[in-house]
Amino acid sequence: DVKVTQSSRYLVKRTGEKVFLECVQDMDHENMFWYRQDPGLGLRLIYFSYDVKMKEKGDIPEGYSVSREKKERFSLILESASTNQTSMYLCASSSGQDFTDTQYFGPGTRLTVL
Amino acid sequence: KQEVTQIPAALSVPEGENLVLNCSFTDSAIYNLQWFRQDPGKGLTSLLLIQSSQREQTSGRLNASLDKSSGRSTLYIAASQPGDSATYLCATLAWDAGNMLTFGGGTRLMVKP
Repeated sequence: DVKVTQSSRYLVKRTGEKVFLECVQDMDHENMFWYRQDPGLGLRLIYFSYDVKMKEKGDIPEGYSVSREKKERFSLILESASTNQTSMYLCASSSGQDFTDTQYFGPGTRLTVL
Repeated sequence: KQEVTQIPAALSVPEGENLVLNCSFTDSAIYNLQWFRQDPGKGLTSLLLIQSSQREQTSGRLNASLDKSSGRSTLYIAASQPGDSATYLCATLAWDAGNMLTFGGGTRLMVKP
């Protein structure tokens, strides 16, 4: 079974702090994704990566950056957290070069920025 | 731009009922459509994936259908159980969305014992 893990289930940070959200997958998947989920707005893609050190912007990249130094790990970075970044963050991974295979999701990190 | 809509947003049924969840999408040029389940505060679990060339997929008590021409998919749940209570999300994967998933807003299902 594919396993996607996220470093924290719940996280509370203060405005202006630098925040790291970590995601690890154990299936040697090429592709990894970061989404945020908000009531009434659904899931929105922040960034994705199709290979080590490669990254592409999703629909809402502003205020975020990512890092993929190893194939199994994809980090989401909030350089200076703001209250409007309070959300549920979901990581996913998939195999293949055309992104058409099933995406497998982690358990999510609920981030609160005070 | 692809838009995915799920109606109703919430549904409450007594245990044992058969039920249908609806998903509609505006761009029929999709590669596939996927149904997910999300329990409160948790991540998404993939239930069924229907390729664009397929009409339906079945897994246990779940059956998903796809009608690309009308831009609709349904998820049929037979003999519902309290353990089926969750939010169900559909998502399309379309070429004009860069092969990225576009999600609907979800249907929150409550099955009462």
